[in-house]
Amino acid sequence: AQTVTQSQPEMSVQEAETVTLSCTYDTSESDYYLFWYKQPPSRQMILVIRQEAYKQQNATENRFSVNFQKAAKSFSLKISDSQLGDAAMYFCAYRSYSNYQLIWGAGTKLIIKP
Amino acid sequence: DGGITQSPKYLFRKEGQNVTLSCEQNLNHDAMYWYRQDPGQGLRLIYYSQIVNDFQKGDIAEGYSVSREKKESFPLTVTSAQKNPTAFYLCASSAGQGTGQETQYFGPGTRLLVL
Repeated sequence: AQTVTQSQPEMSVQEAETVTLSCTYDTSESDYYLFWYKQPPSRQMILVIRQEAYKQQNATENRFSVNFQKAAKSFSLKISDSQLGDAAMYFCAYRSYSNYQLIWGAGTKLIIKP
Repeated sequence: DGGITQSPKYLFRKEGQNVTLSCEQNLNHDAMYWYRQDPGQGLRLIYYSQIVNDFQKGDIAEGYSVSREKKESFPLTVTSAQKNPTAFYLCASSAGQGTGQETQYFGPGTRLLVL
């Protein structure tokens, strides 16, 4: 069975600096999707970025980028120029091509220091 | 605006009572999902539906029931058989299978509390 592990329960970063959140996953499949979602205090889950496993190029969305290492089964999220509004829980999630179900990590709480 | 709505925002359940959480989407998505989130934890799948009049159990379906009579709507009933229903419930939808259609989008959630 697939699993997703986020080894950092909490991270903190100074405003305007860069922070990287870690995510590793375990799967025997070769085709899948990976996601980072953000859950602010409002608790609505917001998509940050997605990556398709067949793409070697790392996905980027403005200040958010990923480092996707397929062989190592690693999918880290880098947030550049951190802003106070980035403070939230961040969840890593996995989905295979053949299954609708998302497999979730336990989350990392990101604290932004002004 | 296209999106997913959930109601109510807060819901209180008495012992032995069934309650229904509403989820509506106007994104024309085929697939819909219900998740449960407990404090300090990730999401766990309760039920999902790929098409109208069809749905499948997720990891924690016991004590819950759903229906999918319309494409736009996927209500979740928390029955009296669910002994620990206090949690945050999130509804999501996705366009379906295929590249570009797999991303799930979420509603604002419903907080269920037991009196």
